Amino acid sequence: EDQVTQSPEALRLQEGESSSLNCSYTVSGLRGLFWYRQDPGKGPEFLFTLYSAGEEKEKERLKATLTKKESFLHITAPKPEDSATYLCAVQADTNAGKSTFGDGTTLTVKP
Amino acid sequence: EAGVTQFPSHSVIEKGQTVTLRCDPISGHDNLYWYRRVMGKEIKFLLHFVKESKQDESGMPNNRFLAERTGGTYSTLKVQPAELEDSGVYFCASSRSWMGDTQYFGPGTRLTVL
Repeated sequence: EDQVTQSPEALRLQEGESSSLNCSYTVSGLRGLFWYRQDPGKGPEFLFTLYSAGEEKEKERLKATLTKKESFLHITAPKPEDSATYLCAVQADTNAGKSTFGDGTTLTVKP
Repeated sequence: EAGVTQFPSHSVIEKGQTVTLRCDPISGHDNLYWYRRVMGKEIKFLLHFVKESKQDESGMPNNRFLAERTGGTYSTLKVQPAELEDSGVYFCASSRSWMGDTQYFGPGTRLTVL
């Protein structure tokens, strides 16, 4: 069974204090790994897709990386508007189309 | 390009009643998915349509849940009769293809069963 574990559950940072969020996964053949951002009362908003180990993608203050067992979402010099829940999801070769989600990491950035 | 839309945004019903949720995918997206998040748990897959056909309905909890996608456009998810444990947020997502393609999510419908 595909599994996704995200850590930490919650992360509080000061504005400008860089950090990383972790997503560990177990899947029978990774088809894709997805990062989403979710604000309260809204649906998940797509950030990145990673397909193979060694791949990296960047967008503004966010950078996502992928290894064979985990993915990291690096946040550089975060701002209060980066506060949200960050979700990681995987799709497996055997269940392509079905995304398996982690519980998410709730990030709070204090000014 | 309009995103995925869902209706209603909130629904409060009594146990035993029927509720129908609607999802309109992004135009041109043949793949449509239903997920739900119950209190304190992660988002879980319910089912996947390719056009009007059910590709995978392995996540549907029981036969009180019925999903349809007539004509391959919008989809409905009916819960009949609703039980307390059906409370949660129901998300719809769509994608152009289904092999590792990005799924774009709607805002969700918050269902409360009293």
